[in-house]
Amino acid sequence: GQQVMQIPQYQHVQEGEDFTTYCNSSTTLSNIQWYKQRPGGHPVFLIQLVKSGEVKKQKRLTFQFGEAKKNSSLHITATQTTDVGTYFCAGPGGNTPLVFGKGTRLSVIA
Amino acid sequence: DTGVSQNPRHKITKRGQNVTFRCDPISEHNRLYWYRQTLGQGPEFLTYFQNEAQLEKSRLLSDRFSAERPKGSFSTLEIQRTEQGDSAMYLCASSLGRTFFRGMNTEAFFGQGTRLTVV
Repeated sequence: GQQVMQIPQYQHVQEGEDFTTYCNSSTTLSNIQWYKQRPGGHPVFLIQLVKSGEVKKQKRLTFQFGEAKKNSSLHITATQTTDVGTYFCAGPGGNTPLVFGKGTRLSVIA
Repeated sequence: DTGVSQNPRHKITKRGQNVTFRCDPISEHNRLYWYRQTLGQGPEFLTYFQNEAQLEKSRLLSDRFSAERPKGSFSTLEIQRTEQGDSAMYLCASSLGRTFFRGMNTEAFFGQGTRLTVV
């Protein structure tokens, strides 16, 4: 079935640096969602993007959906230690409404 | 009802035994998902229900796995003849979905998961 590919797999940053993770699909997505999973926790919904070229912001987090609706990105400005975790994108795949990427694990060095 | 509830939280079983997990979704949610997650990986889709109907099952899922959602409320996931490779975190999630458009979804709420260890 369709999968969403995420890069990078890991990212280590100094506190205060920016962070970006990318999500790519080979086919057009009707929507894409982003989740965060803290170490030892379960995925928690962050946002959903539906429209072509859509940009949404949540404080230091900026989410984008590509014009072709095949890619998306999550950018964190001035990372903090509370941003540590794994960030997943998820979207429809085949007959499944919600298929997850492999995630990008973010480590923040204080 | 404050969220998705999964029981048990932990299960240790001997290889070859059967195990059953339960998920209680958010009450008004019509979609219920089961995922499996191993260390360092993303949630791997297993199956999902819309109300009581099982609409999709992963091709990677062997016949040893079965799931039910008999009244469109809680769901059970059974693994028969467990193998060591079944050791993982089993996550349940629920959401609201539009009945005739599988691709659209509202946010999914996850339970805490059931950690299965097969020895």
